[in-house]
This record gives sequence, C-alpha cells and structure tokens, in this order.
Amino acid sequence: EAQVTQNPRYLITVTGKKLTVTCSQNMNHEYMSWYRQDPGLGLRQIYYSMNVEVTDKGDVPEGYKVSRKEKRNFPLILESPSPNQTSLYFCASRRGSEQYFGPGTRLTVT
Amino acid sequence: AQSVTQLGSHVSVSEGALVLLRCNYSSSVPPYLFWYVQYPNQGLQLLLKYTSAATLVKGINGFEAEFKKSETSFHLTKPSAHMSDAAEYFCAVTTMNSGYSTLTFGKGTMLLVSP
Repeated sequence: EAQVTQNPRYLITVTGKKLTVTCSQNMNHEYMSWYRQDPGLGLRQIYYSMNVEVTDKGDVPEGYKVSRKEKRNFPLILESPSPNQTSLYFCASRRGSEQYFGPGTRLTVT
Repeated sequence: AQSVTQLGSHVSVSEGALVLLRCNYSSSVPPYLFWYVQYPNQGLQLLLKYTSAATLVKGINGFEAEFKKSETSFHLTKPSAHMSDAAEYFCAVTTMNSGYSTLTFGKGTMLLVSP
C-alpha cells in the first residue's frame, strides 16, 4: 500500500530535550515536506526537500532542522524544543501535483 | 507569493442543505488548486483538484468545485449535506518557489452539520 508513515504519532516532551520525528514514504517520490498545523492558522510549511541532499526552508523553519540522506526518509529534528512548537505535524510526499500526507504527529512541549 | 483566503472559519448547515465553502486565491499565473478534508483526529485527504483541465471538478463524497478565473475563486459545493461531512476543509494552491512548486494552504473552514 502506498503510504507516508510518521513516528511517533504522539509525543510529550520537555523544553530543551532534543527529539526527532521520522517520516518515510514508499512511493519513490522525490519531493517531501513538513508542515505544522495550528488552530486558526491552517497548515504552514516548515521545510521541504526536492531530492536527496537537497532541502530548503519553508514559511516557518525557525527551531527545526531536516535531513534527506535517502529518498524515502525525511526526518524532522527539534534540537531544543520550546512550548511554542507544540503543534500537530504532518509529513508529505509528492509526485506531480498530488501530495500525500502522513497521519500526523501530535507534539506537546512542556 | 501566492495566497489562499477561506471565507468563514466555521460554516453551519442542516443535514440535507447545500454546502458552500468559499476559497479565493491570489496568483499571477495559472494555479493548481486543491481541496483537502480533515476528519477529527485524522490526517488530510484529497477531495479534488484543479490542474488546468475542466473548470468544474468533481471529487469524492459528492463534492465539486468550480474554478472561476475572473473571480479568482475555487468554491467547494455539495448539494445535500450529510452528518458524515462534518470536518475541517482546507483550500490550497501551488506556489512557485525557486523553480519548484510548493503548496500553500488556507486557514481552514470547519463544517458543522446539524440534524
């Protein structure tokens, strides 16, 4: 089954404790991206990647890092999480005009 | 940069009534436009998309949207609402950024359906 997977689905952590949210797709898509969803703000793009070793900032990149060492994986790294990064995060991959979303990761930073 | 405006953060309809969710976009070039639906505690699911073909686009679950270039609109409609349509709906537009297209979302409209 073609899909985008994310782990973990739920995470509660404390300020400053580094964490990584993994994202993997099995569709051989070149383009992948991360979004955060906040009430009243819709989805905002954090980072995107056009291919292996090619990444660029989206609209809200501050406080996040990404890497793309393999085509299928695109992890999101929070080096020092802060409470304002409490949000619902979605990974997505794309071929052509259609984007496929993962199930989401709900992150709470206390 | 392109942008999307969804009019109304919440829309309430009765079961069986017409659903109309509004979306306007800003674009200097022909866009690709999308509607996504998000059911409670779930991810985003593509409802329909416009990619420069027919201006009236039919999607899943009886939804459709019409691309109107003169009005820069891409409103989502469904003739008769069902309780199961209660969800949040997002309009999105492609944005060209450094030669690659990115997807810009509206802020979403929560559809409430009452019996």
